[in-house]
Amino acid sequence: DAKTTQPTSMDCAEGRAANLPCNHSTISGNEYVYWYRQIHSQGPQYIIHGLKNNETNEMASLIITEDRKSSTLILPHATLRDTAVYYCICQKGYQKVTFGTGTKLQVIP
Amino acid sequence: DTAVSQTPKYLVTQMGNDKSIKCEQNLGHDTMYWYKQDSKKFLKIMFSYNNKELIINETVPNRFSPKSPDKAHLNLHINSLELGDSAVYFCASSYGTGGAGANVLTFGAGSRLTVL
Repeated sequence: DAKTTQPTSMDCAEGRAANLPCNHSTISGNEYVYWYRQIHSQGPQYIIHGLKNNETNEMASLIITEDRKSSTLILPHATLRDTAVYYCICQKGYQKVTFGTGTKLQVIP
Repeated sequence: DTAVSQTPKYLVTQMGNDKSIKCEQNLGHDTMYWYKQDSKKFLKIMFSYNNKELIINETVPNRFSPKSPDKAHLNLHINSLELGDSAVYFCASSYGTGGAGANVLTFGAGSRLTVL
C-alpha cells in the first residue's frame, strides 16, 4: 500500500470549511484513498473513500487530483465535534493497512 | 447495539501475567482485525482473520495469540506481559471481499492495557 504524507496539525475556525491535504505520490492504479478520523479516546471512524472521482457524503467531500498523487478531505462547516486526528490511507484489498500519524485538526470557537 | 464491542475497556496488570481481550461484531462482516496503538499514536495492524482463517500476521511476538472461534469473534490472548505491551488495542471488522466498500473498517472503542 502507498505511503501517505499529511501535515502534523491544522487549525480551523468553527463554521468554516476545513481542508485537509494528503500526498500519496506512490499510489498504484488499483489503490483507493480512504479517510478516517479518531476523536480523542475513541476508535477510528470511517469518513469517506474514493478511487479517482470526487466523492461526497453526509460527512465530507473528497477531492482527488487527476494524477491521483494527492487528495483533500473537505469538512464543509467544521464544528467543535470535528476536532480529531484525521488519517489518510491508500489501500487495495483488505491487507496490511497501517495508519500513519495523521493530521490533528483543532476546530477553534 | 454496538457494532464492534471489545471487553474489557481497561486492563491493568502486572508484568509476567497472561491476559485476554475479547472482540465481537454484529455486522455480519467476514474479516476481523487487531490493531495496536502505542503512546506515539501509531496505529499498527497485528492480525487479521477472514472467516476464521488467519490472513495477516505481522511481526508480532509469539506471546500474542489471536483466536477466532467463529467469524463474529476475534479474541487476543497475551502471555507473559511486558511493559512494552502497554497500549490501546483496537478490534476492527470489514466485509473483506467485494470491492472498495468491503474494505471499510469499523473499529471498536479500544481496550487500554497497562502493564505495571
